[in-house]
Amino acid sequence: NAGVTQTPKFQVLKTGQSMTLQCAQDMNHNSMYWYRQDPGMGLRLIYYSASEGTTDKGEVPNGYNVSRLNKREFSLRLESAAPSQTSVYFCASIRGQQETQYFGPGTRLLVL
Amino acid sequence: AQSVAQPEDQVNVAEGNPLTVKCTYSVSGNPYLFWYVQYPNRGLQFLLKYITGDNLVKGSYGFEAEFNKSQTSFHLKKPSALVSDSALYFCAVRDDGGAGNMLTFGGGTRLMVKP
Repeated sequence: NAGVTQTPKFQVLKTGQSMTLQCAQDMNHNSMYWYRQDPGMGLRLIYYSASEGTTDKGEVPNGYNVSRLNKREFSLRLESAAPSQTSVYFCASIRGQQETQYFGPGTRLLVL
Repeated sequence: AQSVAQPEDQVNVAEGNPLTVKCTYSVSGNPYLFWYVQYPNRGLQFLLKYITGDNLVKGSYGFEAEFNKSQTSFHLKKPSALVSDSALYFCAVRDDGGAGNMLTFGGGTRLMVKP
């Protein structure tokens, strides 16, 4: 099993450009999550998908959209990137409530 | 609402000495508690969790944590620190009645183990 995979690993954008971060898991997990990590602020939840076909806002959803394409894949889109979105983005997934959440390796995004 | 506090930004300890990384939490229902470790330029790796049962939980790499309901704490411990334990540690909590199985993370504690 590859676990949780993310692409790309690193990306540089100019202000106003758009991009989609891809995430996939092969563990048959029901719920998937997108976080951002900023220095001194831990991980903050952007959006999550409790199950296939559903998505909900987390703590910091502004400027982002998501798509739960199928049970395996959960993408995060920045429609018009801003310097404040410079961060490291992590995708995670979980099977059920008492289970462990597993994380991908992260995408480092720099918006100039 | 659920929240986690890690009161120390950094913990310094000498190799071979015991270490403690502190975590306190707040939930409405019963807590599910987790510790993760992050090495530089890597994702988060699961260390251990408390769901129910024995208050002392043992995890990977010799780490353990003690659940204390009255003090709403879940401190991470290791009897003898290694230089290779130096990393960023995150405590996280999930409310058993919360929607979406969401985890809330603390701000992280950097552990520095000196030779």
